[in-house]
Amino acid sequence: GQQVMQIPQYQHVQEGEDFTTYCNSSTTLSNIQWYKQRPGGHPVFLIQLVKSGEVKKQKRLTFQFGEAKKNSSLHITATQTTDVGTYFCAGNNNDMRFGAGTRLTVKP
Amino acid sequence: NAGVTQTPKFQVLKTGQSMTLQCAQDMNHEYMSWYRQDPGMGLRLIHYSVGAGITDQGEVPNGYNVSRSTTEDFPLRLLSAAPSQTSVYFCASSSLGQPQETQYFGPGTRLLVL
Repeated sequence: GQQVMQIPQYQHVQEGEDFTTYCNSSTTLSNIQWYKQRPGGHPVFLIQLVKSGEVKKQKRLTFQFGEAKKNSSLHITATQTTDVGTYFCAGNNNDMRFGAGTRLTVKP
Repeated sequence: NAGVTQTPKFQVLKTGQSMTLQCAQDMNHEYMSWYRQDPGMGLRLIHYSVGAGITDQGEVPNGYNVSRSTTEDFPLRLLSAAPSQTSVYFCASSSLGQPQETQYFGPGTRLLVL
């Protein structure tokens, strides 16, 4: 069945450093979504990518969808303490499969 | 709009007990789903529904039942609780009868099975 792998599992950065998390699917995806979950909270939708090679930006966040629609990345430029949380990708191909998430901690 | 609401927030069960986790949304979304979240494993889809009267199994359906008698409500039933069902349960909804639109998550139910 479809599997979605996400790396790294944890990332600790100094405030101001960049951060990237990667998502890989075993099958071609129709789209991919990214979510952020703060500690103790629920997942909150960030963005959806649909097109092959698509790149979308939200302020300091840049999202990419691979040409083969099997991988994606989220890059945060100049992290802030408010970026703390776990970032999940979710690949959609008939049903939604979430990656295990990357937990980001930021040292002030 | 209240969005997606879940009750209870916390629950402790003994092995073998049954219970129902409630989920409701007021956004008139066709698609609703249940996930469980365990440490290091992300969210795993339990069951989902694309409309009233229609349900289907997700990745980990065993030990859980669902029904969708109305558009608004999508309860999750644990028939005979087991310690392996200790987890955080999230309900989510989205429009267009597909998960391809933004999924809105409820606040979650934290379940402990002793």
